[in-house]
Amino acid sequence: QVQLVQSGAEVKKPGSSMKVSCKASGGTFNNFAITWVRQDPGQGLEWMGGIIPHHGTTNYAQRFQGRLTITADESTNTVYMELSSLKSEDTAVYYCARSFDLLTAYYDYWGQGTLVTVSS
Amino acid sequence: DIQLTQSPSSLSASVGDRVTITCQASQDITNYLNWYQQIPGKAPKLLIYDASNLQTGVPSRFRGGGSGTHFTFTINNLQPEDVATYYCQQYDDLPYSFGQGTKLEIK
Repeated sequence: QVQLVQSGAEVKKPGSSMKVSCKASGGTFNNFAITWVRQDPGQGLEWMGGIIPHHGTTNYAQRFQGRLTITADESTNTVYMELSSLKSEDTAVYYCARSFDLLTAYYDYWGQGTLVTVSS
Repeated sequence: DIQLTQSPSSLSASVGDRVTITCQASQDITNYLNWYQQIPGKAPKLLIYDASNLQTGVPSRFRGGGSGTHFTFTINNLQPEDVATYYCQQYDDLPYSFGQGTKLEIK
């Protein structure tokens, strides 16, 4: 059974960048897509963007364009989410989640979440 | 962008009750609507996909329905372990989006 295992919590300074990883344990990504969703403390869920690791196709939410980069390393079954020019409003729990592809976007497996705190 | 409005924002019900949550989309999203359950401190869990399909392993007391702009999510025979926040999510158009959530408590 596939598990998505994310990297640990981080504290970042405003203006810096963050890079969170999501590794498929117990399997590979095959042709599935991996998407990133974040959750502000005590708030709702926000869709950020995703990637199909097998061929690198991505989609991003417009509001993150220019700041968000999602990449994949098939050799290690790992997807990375990098967010730059961090602001305090980027403080959130970041989740990776799996779907069949980018257009069939229901997420059946989720990572455990990574808390990123942006603070001076 | 497509907005999803859930109602109510919170509700309290008794064990054994039937509860219903609605999700209204700002435009027609056909049936590209999913429902998730989130227990505090945990990742969301997929319950219903494509408006009415029960995800494998999810108890049959959970049901989804609707199409177009109006969707419903029902829990029959409410159980104590159903205490959670429930979210709808659309994937008809980018950016995909979630409703604001409905917090369910047991009386």
